[in-house]
Amino acid sequence: GESVGLHLPTLSVQEGDNSIINCAYSNSASDYFIWYKQESGKGPQFIIDIRSNMDKRQGQRVTVLLNKTVKHLSLQIAATQPGDSAVYFCAENGGAQKLVFGQGTRLTINP
Amino acid sequence: DSGVTQTPKHLITATGQRVTLRCSPRSGDLSVYWYQQSLDQGLQFLIQYYNGEERAKGNILERFSAQQFPDLHSELNLSSLELGDSALYFCASTVGASGFQETQYFGPGTRLLVL
Repeated sequence: GESVGLHLPTLSVQEGDNSIINCAYSNSASDYFIWYKQESGKGPQFIIDIRSNMDKRQGQRVTVLLNKTVKHLSLQIAATQPGDSAVYFCAENGGAQKLVFGQGTRLTINP
Repeated sequence: DSGVTQTPKHLITATGQRVTLRCSPRSGDLSVYWYQQSLDQGLQFLIQYYNGEERAKGNILERFSAQQFPDLHSELNLSSLELGDSALYFCASTVGASGFQETQYFGPGTRLLVL
């Protein structure tokens, strides 16, 4: 069946450290993956995406890594800032006409 | 600001009632997607419209329906409301029809509370 899960529901990091948020997916037919950030009271905000023909993609302070062998996706945030506090969702398309979202990881930043 | 707008921001109603949620996509986007976000289910895809036509269907209940108008705004109608329908409802938009291959931009959501 289709499922996108997260290894940890919460993650707490020190300001300035790097954050790594992990995501496991089960549908090998998925060929498009996205990370979204959702702040309290707001809608999901696109962070970065990656297609299955890539292993790594970098944005501004963020990097997504895709390991298709073990069906694992990760989001790395460099030099974490207080504004990075949010819930982070991974999503996959499962090779079908819909996005399947994980349950989310809450990232909190300690000063 | 994603460019996607949703109204109302909050909605409180009673069981058995019917409500309509409205979404305007980003300028130039032809597809609108509706999602439900509840505490125990996360973000669930409900339905997609592309240029006025239903394109894809997810976990949408028969009590729920949607449509997209010629000006491309969309409405999600929820009827015979139950307590369990209380949730955040988001819409998202994309330029093309294959929103599962391109970035979806989300609106700020409508928080529905059914009492």
